[in-house]
Amino acid sequence: GAVVSQHPSWVICKSGTSVKIECRSLDFQATTMFWYRQFPKQSLMLMATSNEGSKATYEQGVEKDKFLINHASLTLSTLTVTSAHPEDSSFYICSAWDSLLSGNTIYFGEGSWLTVV
Amino acid sequence: KQEVTQIPAALSVPEGENLVLNCSFTDSAIYNLQWFRQDPGKGLTSLLLIQSSQREQTSGRLNASLDKSSGRSTLYIAASQPGDSATYLCAVSAGNQFYFGTGTSLTVIP
Repeated sequence: GAVVSQHPSWVICKSGTSVKIECRSLDFQATTMFWYRQFPKQSLMLMATSNEGSKATYEQGVEKDKFLINHASLTLSTLTVTSAHPEDSSFYICSAWDSLLSGNTIYFGEGSWLTVV
Repeated sequence: KQEVTQIPAALSVPEGENLVLNCSFTDSAIYNLQWFRQDPGKGLTSLLLIQSSQREQTSGRLNASLDKSSGRSTLYIAASQPGDSATYLCAVSAGNQFYFGTGTSLTVIP
């Protein structure tokens, strides 16, 4: 079945540095990918919608200059957390929408745990 | 805007008990509903996906039901085990997005 791969699963970075998270659709083309963030004991919240070949659409309150999203191909979207701070430590997860499948099925990556020290 | 609520927020049961987790959503115009499991420090694991035309799905000891008209879904876990301890999230799909509940933290006591 369709699989979405997210890498890395865990990452620790120093405050002030940037870190990139990749989201790949392994056996289908994803015209749209979504990035979510989850703080402890809170629900997953949509950060941005990424459409292949165009700029991402960010949710209110999400800094587009801090969370750079690139969706250069139909199988890859990347989220770069720039100038990371400890408050950016969170669980980030992507999902991809397979436009060719029926049922409007969205597939999720396994998520990435970011710790900024 | 779709709002998804899960009750209870936390649940602790002795091993072997059957239990029900609840999920409610405000807009019945959904494509599907999905239940996930999240273990501490790990990613989401998809448990069951119910399309809007379906009423329930079963997988092993898990059974999920969907009542679109009332905006409710339940996840039934039979004969609970300590390994079932995790946070369970429900999410509804509307358009191209998923809307997540806040989750139910389940602890199964040996």
